[in-house]
Amino acid sequence: EVQLEESGGGLVQPGGSLRLSCAASGFTFSGFWMHWVRQIPGEGLVWVSRITSDGSRTAYADSVKGRFTISRDNVKNTLDLQMNSLRVEDTAVYYCVKGALYFESWGQGTVVTVSA
Amino acid sequence: EIVMTQSPATLSVSPGERATLSCGASQSIADNLAWYQQIPGQAPRLLIYGASTRASGIPARFSGSGSGAEFTLTISSLQPEDSAVYYCQQYNSWPPQTFGQGTKVEIK
Repeated sequence: EVQLEESGGGLVQPGGSLRLSCAASGFTFSGFWMHWVRQIPGEGLVWVSRITSDGSRTAYADSVKGRFTISRDNVKNTLDLQMNSLRVEDTAVYYCVKGALYFESWGQGTVVTVSA
Repeated sequence: EIVMTQSPATLSVSPGERATLSCGASQSIADNLAWYQQIPGQAPRLLIYGASTRASGIPARFSGSGSGAEFTLTISSLQPEDSAVYYCQQYNSWPPQTFGQGTKVEIK
């Protein structure tokens, strides 16, 4: 069974940094693209970032480009999202997601709150 | 960026009745469309990909159709546990993969 467990969320001030992690199990992690998708409470889903299976290529939504960095460790089976220069509008639930073009499996999410 | 538009915003259906949800794309996306179900308090779950292929473990009452720019998700006989928000997502032109704003299905 695929399991994706996010951690690292919390309360941070505007301009601050946070690092999210996702521990993956139940599948061959190194064989799959991975993504971060976020959801503002009560609102819809927004794709944030993607990394290819070997970590060689990444992509970002325009709203986070230059501030967020996605990375993975295929030995530890972990996916990370380093978030810098955080803004109030980055407040959301962040989901770790397995899949290439569509999103096959989702973690339960971790809450990030950016507030003074 | 392709814009996805879902209708209606809210759908109220009696148990056992059919629910029909629509999703439109701002340009043709062939059959590169997925549907997700999000039950309140839970993460989204993949229901359909390739516009009409059910994901593993998804009941047969869920079906998808359409191609090009117009798509439909049909729940043939609504069950109480189907109360959720349903999202469509295109993956024809990426990044970014884009989602619709969601349709909330309520049980009458």
